[in-house]
Amino acid sequence: DIQMTQSPSSLSASVGDRVTITCRASQRINNYLVWFQQKPGKAPKSLIYAASSLQSGVPSRFSGSGTGTEFTLTISSLQPEDFATYYCQHYHSYPLTFGQGTRLEIK
Amino acid sequence: EVQLVESGGGFVQPGGSLRLSCAVSGFTFSEHYMDWVRQAPGKGLEWVGRIRNKAKRYSTEYAASVKGRFTISRDESKNSLFLQMVSLTTEDTAVYYCARASLDSGNYYSDDWGQGTLVTVSS
Repeated sequence: DIQMTQSPSSLSASVGDRVTITCRASQRINNYLVWFQQKPGKAPKSLIYAASSLQSGVPSRFSGSGTGTEFTLTISSLQPEDFATYYCQHYHSYPLTFGQGTRLEIK
Repeated sequence: EVQLVESGGGFVQPGGSLRLSCAVSGFTFSEHYMDWVRQAPGKGLEWVGRIRNKAKRYSTEYAASVKGRFTISRDESKNSLFLQMVSLTTEDTAVYYCARASLDSGNYYSDDWGQGTLVTVSS
């Protein structure tokens, strides 16, 4: 199975900050990677697919990059509604697996 | 508007069974693969399994943790997805989400999700 490792596990930041979250795959997954945002008590929402393609309706302050085994999600200027938990997931092969999540908190 | 609405969650004793449903609307159900994903209380997301579309003969894939106990099916006439769960253990306690899977360069990823239904396995 492909293991997905996110870093950091948690992060404190302020409104307006630039934030980067990293996701590493235990083997090459090309660019078959999706990023989700989850707020407490809510379903996950897809933000980025194919490592760098913005999902329709997602603000342009979110961006993704990477290929192979290392990927990043960047939020260029944090807004109050961005404080949430973020997950990466590969869809290269079965089983699909998620990273453990990164909790983004208000400083 | 894409909508996915899960139902069927509840309280069940260890060793018991439960069937979850997911009613979908707002998209062409028959074209998409469909996923089940779960989240234990206070934990991260865990992919449960996938069912492909008619073109791929409704074939399925499962996580090792549920293989042989869980069965995913779909009814195109009812625009519904199902998850039959048997031999449940306390480790299966979670919110269960259904998700639509969409095509990207030959592979499928979950894009739209339902609100989830809680399954509690306890004696």
